[in-house]
Amino acid sequence: DQQVKQNSPSLSVQEGRISILNCDYTNSMFDYFLWYKKYPAEGPTFLISISSIKDKNEDGRFTVFLNKSAKHLSLHIVPSQPGDSAVYFCAASASRLTFGEGTQLTVNP
Amino acid sequence: NAGVMQNPRHLVRRRGQEARLRCSPMKGHSHVYWYRQLPEEGLKFMVYLQKENIIDESGMPKERFSAEFPKEGPSILRIQQVVRGDSAAYFCASSIPGFQETQYFGPGTRLLVL
Repeated sequence: DQQVKQNSPSLSVQEGRISILNCDYTNSMFDYFLWYKKYPAEGPTFLISISSIKDKNEDGRFTVFLNKSAKHLSLHIVPSQPGDSAVYFCAASASRLTFGEGTQLTVNP
Repeated sequence: NAGVMQNPRHLVRRRGQEARLRCSPMKGHSHVYWYRQLPEEGLKFMVYLQKENIIDESGMPKERFSAEFPKEGPSILRIQQVVRGDSAAYFCASSIPGFQETQYFGPGTRLLVL
């Protein structure tokens, strides 16, 4: 039972454009959502999070949007940079973190 | 300001051997979590520990796997009688009490079972 799902295994964008990564969840008990970034051979790095009482959180080039009625969250990166190329995992928390499968983002110069 | 430390980074074992993976949390963190990532998949929760206490082991396989976080020293994930299907990346994360949603990850141990 995949409670957190990232339907796009990969995404490719041009440098300077917007990257939009999507995540859907099924468990209405999740009350906190996070995005992690992972480079090869490294552990995931915390990027940005959002509480279920909010619908938007912004940190520099990164913005996370939460649509509770649709059980959907997204991560916007603008402008995208080649160094943003990595695997992005969304995660949701009830009592523990549940991760999606990840989306490989490639930002082309 | 050391982050979460894991060792070894790579571990090769033959079927039937034991694997021991170590995790030292960030300074000031008393909560440790273990995750497993199989090839082409996301991270799957295994176990959540505090010092000398297992809080949630609902993600641990019922047999061959055990975890501990002693009063002194690192957290240990132990896999007995390893099989090829145990080959994966094992990540440890830590957090401070009351902030378990925000976990900081180590670099992982890549276990290969021959």
